[in-house]
Amino acid sequence: AQTVTQSQPEMSVQEAETVTLSCTYDTSESDYYLFWYKQPPSRQMILVIRQEAYKQQNATENRFSVNFQKAAKSFSLKISDSQLGDAAMYFCAYRIIYGGATNKLIFGTGTLLAVQP
Amino acid sequence: NAGVTQTPKFQVLKTGQSMTLQCAQDMNHNSMYWYRQDPGMGLRLIYYSASEGTTDKGEVPNGYNVSRLNKREFSLRLESAAPSQTSVYFCASSEYYRGGIDGELFFGEGSRLTVL
Repeated sequence: AQTVTQSQPEMSVQEAETVTLSCTYDTSESDYYLFWYKQPPSRQMILVIRQEAYKQQNATENRFSVNFQKAAKSFSLKISDSQLGDAAMYFCAYRIIYGGATNKLIFGTGTLLAVQP
Repeated sequence: NAGVTQTPKFQVLKTGQSMTLQCAQDMNHNSMYWYRQDPGMGLRLIYYSASEGTTDKGEVPNGYNVSRLNKREFSLRLESAAPSQTSVYFCASSEYYRGGIDGELFFGEGSRLTVL
């Protein structure tokens, strides 16, 4: 069974600094997606970034980028120039690509990020 | 564009009471999902509906039933609520592309349920 592990329950970063959130996963599949979701205090789940396992290039979305190490099954999120609005719970998630007509995500337990002014 | 709408946002129940969480999406998505979120456990899939007329169990289906009323609506019912069902519930929807392409999940704002 696939699992997703986030070993950092809480992290803190100074405004304008860079922080990296860790995520590891376990799977025997070769084709899959990895995601980072942000959940601010409003509870809304917001997709931050997505990585396809067959792509070697790391995904980037503005200040957010990932370091995807397929062999090591590692998928970390780097937030550059941190802003107060980045404070939230961050979830790493995994989904197999060829799972039929479903989109079942497996989530990690989350990392709570605090941004200090 | 409303996206995914859940009602109610908050509910307090007594043990043994029943209730239904409603979810509707206006994005014409085929697939819909119910997750629960508990502290320290991330989100876990309760039930999902790959398309209108079909439903399947997820990781934690015990104590719940679902109905895919039509393409837009997917409800979650607690027949006899238990304190262990105290949680935040999220509905989500996604498009289904053959071959598993794309299919980003769009989430509702969550429903906080407390069972006393």
